[in-house]
Amino acid sequence: DTGVSQDPRHKITKRGQNVTFRCDPISEHNRLYWYRQTLGQGPEFLTYFQNEAQLEKSRLLSDRFSAERPKGSFSTLEIQRTEQGDSAMYLCASSPQGGFNTEAFFGQGTRLTVV
Amino acid sequence: LAKTTQPISMDSYEGQEVNITCSHNNIATNDYITWYQQFPSQGPRFIIQGYKTKVTNEVASLFIPADRKSSTLSLPRVSLSDTAVYYCLVGDMRDTGRRALTFGSGTRLQVQP
Repeated sequence: DTGVSQDPRHKITKRGQNVTFRCDPISEHNRLYWYRQTLGQGPEFLTYFQNEAQLEKSRLLSDRFSAERPKGSFSTLEIQRTEQGDSAMYLCASSPQGGFNTEAFFGQGTRLTVV
Repeated sequence: LAKTTQPISMDSYEGQEVNITCSHNNIATNDYITWYQQFPSQGPRFIIQGYKTKVTNEVASLFIPADRKSSTLSLPRVSLSDTAVYYCLVGDMRDTGRRALTFGSGTRLQVQP
């Protein structure tokens, strides 16, 4: 499978714990996005990478959230001191480099439940 | 960012053609219109993209009138497996980051047997 891969698919954690999610984009896709989606809502933008550079962060990405993309390949999203409001589906997407945007490919997401 | 407005939900029956209209009154000259489909517990999937007139692929057609203030996604002969949420996005293809992919609440399509 050469699509966007996310791990884990599901995560249950206790409030206050730290969690880390991983995203493996499609090979050679330079652009990588993280989104958060709650029930009944569309995906909300969190952050965007161009290669290893984090070029944009949403104000939704509080100080407890951090994302990295070392070497411009896979990316990790860490949430520290989780809160119940962090419960959501976290989606990763990638798209190829180009002068113009083309379609973005999404992974199946990581569903986080904070209890 | 051009704001989009879609119906919250639509119902249809198998075999029928479904048309979902999206309003984007303040679309900019360089903006393209893109539609994504999302099934429960999955990430969105690109369906179709266009700038003006009509675009057709193996999955759907996209109709865009001359003023480009709206667009219509047409799904021919829907089946139960087309039950999903459909998102209309408007943005400049040259943009990146948040401006590239801003989702609204989408249209929930329910196909009945």
